[in-house]
Amino acid sequence: SQQGEEDPQALSIQEGENATMNCSYKTSINNLQWYRQNSGRGLVHLILIRSNEREKHSGRLRVTLDTSKKSSSLLITASRAADTASYFCATDESGGGADGLTFGKGTHLIIQP
Amino acid sequence: KAGVTQTPRYLIKTRGQQVTLSCSPISGHRSVSWYQQTPGQGLQFLFEYFSETQRNKGNFPGRFSGRQFSNSRSEMNVSTLELGDSALYLCASTGAGNSPLHFGNGTRLTVT
Repeated sequence: SQQGEEDPQALSIQEGENATMNCSYKTSINNLQWYRQNSGRGLVHLILIRSNEREKHSGRLRVTLDTSKKSSSLLITASRAADTASYFCATDESGGGADGLTFGKGTHLIIQP
Repeated sequence: KAGVTQTPRYLIKTRGQQVTLSCSPISGHRSVSWYQQTPGQGLQFLFEYFSETQRNKGNFPGRFSGRQFSNSRSEMNVSTLELGDSALYLCASTGAGNSPLHFGNGTRLTVT
């Protein structure tokens, strides 16, 4: 079953602008992860934020986590054409939920040159 | 270090047939997970193997099965294929605990 829901489903911006994607989930989690998928390829792990963390940075990526609202956001700053891809949030459920990571349906990001 | 390798890359089968997909994890990774990706349902967890034992299983019918060998390589099998089994099947490996998943490029299965 899908737990994470990304918003928006699709986003088109100009190169150089910032892109923000949001993810909401339903249950308690150990951590939340963001992945990128280029068309027809496998997923690439971007960043992991633990349930006791509120913000994390990695290069041009900034992730926030609000466990009280069960939501996360991924910010990509100074976007590049190579950032065009689908972005997925995935939750690792706590409390014994062991059905692998639960992925959302993704945000398709298009960077216009 | 070589990444996760999945074979074959593309596969076309007919309804009722069976198929076996293969996955070689990153060297040293003992956990292998399988996911099905479709436009309608997104990414759905199939199963996870660790040290040759199935550790978790998603909500898929018994036609979907898998196994893991002593060298951590894994195979998944789908019997009596249905049109709805057409999907990108992704394999991922991980080192330990809650480490991030490392995905292969998937096998694109088309059932006609």
